[in-house]
Amino acid sequence: AQSVTQPDIHITVSEGASLELRCNYSYGATPYLFWYVQSPGQGLQLLLKYFSGDTLVQGIKGFEAEFKRSQSSFNLRKPSVHWSDAAEYFCAVGARAGNMLTFGGGTRLMVKP
Amino acid sequence: NAGVTQTPKFQVLKTGQSMTLQCAQDMNHNSMYWYRQDPGMGLRLIYYSASEGTTDKGEVPNGYNVSRLNKREFSLRLESAAPSQTSVYFCASKGVAGAADTQYFGPGTRLTVL
Repeated sequence: AQSVTQPDIHITVSEGASLELRCNYSYGATPYLFWYVQSPGQGLQLLLKYFSGDTLVQGIKGFEAEFKRSQSSFNLRKPSVHWSDAAEYFCAVGARAGNMLTFGGGTRLMVKP
Repeated sequence: NAGVTQTPKFQVLKTGQSMTLQCAQDMNHNSMYWYRQDPGMGLRLIYYSASEGTTDKGEVPNGYNVSRLNKREFSLRLESAAPSQTSVYFCASKGVAGAADTQYFGPGTRLTVL
């Protein structure tokens, strides 16, 4: 069975600082990988996804993520955080033959002025 | 396009009461999903429907039933609500069979069971 771990429950960064959110997955083959963002009181919005090819993927709002097969990781990065990035971020993994996603527990990002 | 819509937005129930959460999508998607979100646990899949006429259990199906009414609509029913079902419920839809497509989420229903 697939699983996702987001080791950091809360992260606080200063506005303008760089950001890296960690995601580790467990799956027997190459999975589909996703990052979603949830603003307070809202549903989830897709930031980016990895299916195949280039292991560095670009998403919306200036985010990027890198798939590292050897580390079973798919960390999310942003070079300069804005106050509007404060939200909860979810990593998810999907099996290539299936219909379901498995989500990590989420990382709540707070941004200091 | 409204995307994925959910009703109601908020609901308070007493233990033992029943209710149905409604979900509709206007993107002509085949697959639809119901998740619950609890603090620190991410989203957990309750039920899903890969296509019209089919439904399957997810990770946490106990205490819930679903109906895929047609291609657009997928409802979640709590027959006898329990305090453990206090949660935020999200519906999602996806266009093609298999995991190669994006799931689009509704705004959620916040349910409290007293």
